[in-house]
Amino acid sequence: KAGVTQTPRYLIKTRGQQVTLSCSPISGHRSVSWYQQTPGQGLQFLFEYFSETQRNKGNFPGRFSGRQFSNSRSEMNVSTLELGDSALYLCASRGGPNTEAFFGQGTRLTVV
Amino acid sequence: GEDVEQSLFLSVREGDSSVINCTYTDSSSTYLYWYKQEPGAGLQLLTYIFSNMDMKQDQRLTVLLNKKDKHLSLRIADTQTGDSAIYFCAERGNTDKLIFGTGTRLQVFP
Repeated sequence: KAGVTQTPRYLIKTRGQQVTLSCSPISGHRSVSWYQQTPGQGLQFLFEYFSETQRNKGNFPGRFSGRQFSNSRSEMNVSTLELGDSALYLCASRGGPNTEAFFGQGTRLTVV
Repeated sequence: GEDVEQSLFLSVREGDSSVINCTYTDSSSTYLYWYKQEPGAGLQLLTYIFSNMDMKQDQRLTVLLNKKDKHLSLRIADTQTGDSAIYFCAERGNTDKLIFGTGTRLQVFP
């Protein structure tokens, strides 16, 4: 059974641009969560989707958005990139409520 | 509010036991998790414990939970160089979001 797949693995963008990251959950999993990992702030929750609906949202500005498709794949978008958005973005999939979260390898975004 | 704390570093000799500690503040935590992160990689789920348990053992890993003190620990028996990584504890309350600790960097030396 394939794990959580995130693409691309690495990205370099310039300030002001926008970026879209993709996450394919484990087959059969309908819940996808996104986390940002930085040296200064650690791991912080961005948002969670279940069956195409956002169920939970962290404390990030509106420049961070996401969506989930009917096949459970999820995308995360960051608009008007800032240097501080440089981070490892991790996606986790879950089979349902009260089940464990399995993480992908992450997308490392560098904003220059 | 929700807060999870861990010590930053731990250094152990190969073959010894490692104990990584974690404290949390959210009394409504339902599950507590331990994840491992190797350089350049994502998070690997190691083990978890439900809040109504006080101990869980899984091969070389032992998790102890003191719910009264909101203290969680991960013991790795017979620590190997391949165990060198950053270990995160995380708690989950009534929602499905995880609150992570700062991570403990475990260094295993020969």
